[in-house]
Amino acid sequence: KNEVEQSPQNLTAQEGEFITINCSYSVGISALHWLQQHPGGGIVSLFMLSSGKKKHGRLIATINIQEKHSSLHITASHPRDSAVYICAVLGDFGNEKLTFGTGTRLTIIP
Amino acid sequence: NAGVTQTPKFQVLKTGQSMTLQCAQDMNHEYMSWYRQDPGMGLRLIHYSVGAGITDQGEVPNGYNVSRSTTEDFPLRLLSAAPSQTSVYFCASSYWSPHDRGSNSPLHFGNGTRLTVT
Repeated sequence: KNEVEQSPQNLTAQEGEFITINCSYSVGISALHWLQQHPGGGIVSLFMLSSGKKKHGRLIATINIQEKHSSLHITASHPRDSAVYICAVLGDFGNEKLTFGTGTRLTIIP
Repeated sequence: NAGVTQTPKFQVLKTGQSMTLQCAQDMNHEYMSWYRQDPGMGLRLIHYSVGAGITDQGEVPNGYNVSRSTTEDFPLRLLSAAPSQTSVYFCASSYWSPHDRGSNSPLHFGNGTRLTVT
């Protein structure tokens, strides 16, 4: 079993829909990152969370440390949101290793 | 600021050749790391460093060497390239402090190096 599991693996939605991508992990962590990778290949950091909730524009990320679960939400989705979204966890104290989920490929149809 | 600069963008090697992938950052980040990305496998950590003179192995370190002589640079060396090392390689950096791990900054990625070993 992978240490970081993302769901769904693929998601296709209509423009304007509310999108939720989930990330579950099985190890102790000090932080969780949400990343975005566009078809061109570049990787951009969206959020870094260690607790609670963060919001940036139409993107919202939440984390529940007790349940070892995080969600990334996109409100009013747009075709430009089409990308691969990747969850990554940073190990607990003394283990500064990043472990990645395999990503969620999101396609927003106009 | 240039951010994280990775070179080269593309490289083709023959089996057995050696090369160095360069990674430099100008943000004074302590944490630097190398990843490879393969289809269906996601990103996997090769090596990482939490400061000059300190390196450690990640998930897939075999066949790769690193050193961290300065805060700015973190080169990745392939000593004897193999076809299994054909991949896209990314370097990333972030702020890191051993005394306040909750203050980790977002990761900053380079643009990637597409390596083909024939």
